[in-house]
Amino acid sequence: KAGVTQTPRYLIKTRGQQVTLSCSPISGHRSVSWYQQTPGQGLQFLFEYFSETQRNKGNFPGRFSGRQFSNSRSEMNVSTLELGDSALYLCASSPLGGDTEAFFGQGTRLTVV
Amino acid sequence: AQRVTQPEKLLSVFKGAPVELKCNYSYSGSPELFWYVQYSRQRLQLLLRHISRESIKGFTADLNKGETSFHLKKPFAQEEDSAMYYCALSGVGSQGNLIFGKGTKLSVKP
Repeated sequence: KAGVTQTPRYLIKTRGQQVTLSCSPISGHRSVSWYQQTPGQGLQFLFEYFSETQRNKGNFPGRFSGRQFSNSRSEMNVSTLELGDSALYLCASSPLGGDTEAFFGQGTRLTVV
Repeated sequence: AQRVTQPEKLLSVFKGAPVELKCNYSYSGSPELFWYVQYSRQRLQLLLRHISRESIKGFTADLNKGETSFHLKKPFAQEEDSAMYYCALSGVGSQGNLIFGKGTKLSVKP
């Protein structure tokens, strides 16, 4: 079956702009989590959605938000972009979340200039 | 505080040598521990998890609650094992939140 798909793969944005990233989970998976990966901080949890509801949130400012649709596809939005938001954003899906295996997408590389 | 520590950024061994990638964790509840691997130009994928107690690609990992460790071991390294390895933790019943270590890059030389 198809894996987790993230679009776009690459993005270049200017400081102050906003950006929306998309994630299509594996069919049948209801949990979608988002992570930010940077060389300095590594992989950090942003938030998790399950059945269109945010169940868990990491320690990121309110500029980072997300949502999940009825087909389990998820989007994350970052408003008022800062240079420090440049990172690889990874999406992971799993059937139920929690301690089940997470399947990762290829990521979206965001560069803020 | 919940934390996963991988003390080695880079580990370099020769083919056929034993490998041990270290992982220590700090967690107040009952953790689930995982090892994820990322091969060059591939996506992050699960290598093994402690509750399954299985060996994947010759790798094993034992959860030591007394030492709060979950080290990854392989008796004979292969060149194809060269990759980035991440130890991760999830609380039992937690909701889609994996706490990752910073990762160890394993390089297996011929």
